[in-house]
Amino acid sequence: QITLKESGPTLVKPTQTLTLTCTFSGFSLSTSGVGVGWIRQPPGKALEWLALIYWHDEKHYSPSLRSKLTITKDTSENQVVLTMTNINPVDTATYYCAHRHGGYFDYWGQGTLVTVSS
Amino acid sequence: DIQMTQSPSSVSASVGDRVTITCRASQGISSWLAWYQQKPGKAPKLLIYAASSLQSGVPSRFSGSGSGTDFTVTISNLQPEDFGIYYCQQAYNYPYTFGQGTKLEIK
Repeated sequence: QITLKESGPTLVKPTQTLTLTCTFSGFSLSTSGVGVGWIRQPPGKALEWLALIYWHDEKHYSPSLRSKLTITKDTSENQVVLTMTNINPVDTATYYCAHRHGGYFDYWGQGTLVTVSS
Repeated sequence: DIQMTQSPSSVSASVGDRVTITCRASQGISSWLAWYQQKPGKAPKLLIYAASSLQSGVPSRFSGSGSGTDFTVTISNLQPEDFGIYYCQQAYNYPYTFGQGTKLEIK
């Protein structure tokens, strides 16, 4: 079955770079049509889509965060990495990675809470 | 960006009731819409995709309809486990966008 799990720091200082890793199983990012996305959710707020990477390395980003985000994949390790630069307190959120199926996210990781504070 | 607006923002209903939540897109998105349910402390769960297709394993009391700009998810015969926050998401173009959520409480 498909599973995903996010990992990374729980506390980050303002202006630092956040690196989150999504480790998945049950599918391959070398298979045509497959994609993995990142979505975040500030405490008590709505979901916000951040980025998406496809099997053929096509990438898409939220325009409002485009300058801060980089998404990459390591097909051999079954991992997708999201990097966010110059992080600040408004980036405090639970970050989810999810398997994309036809534009929708059918499998999600458990999420990882990242707090940005000095 | 396509803005997704849900209504109501919250609803309270009794077990056995029929509940409908609406999502409106700021421009036409054909049928590129999904509905998710999220419970406290948990990841969202895909319920409906392509506006009206039921995700595998989701009870048949959930149904979706709509196309273009107006969409609904309906829960028939509401059950205690249906509480949570419901989100719509458009997949018509990038950036994907979510609605602000509708909180469903069971009376």
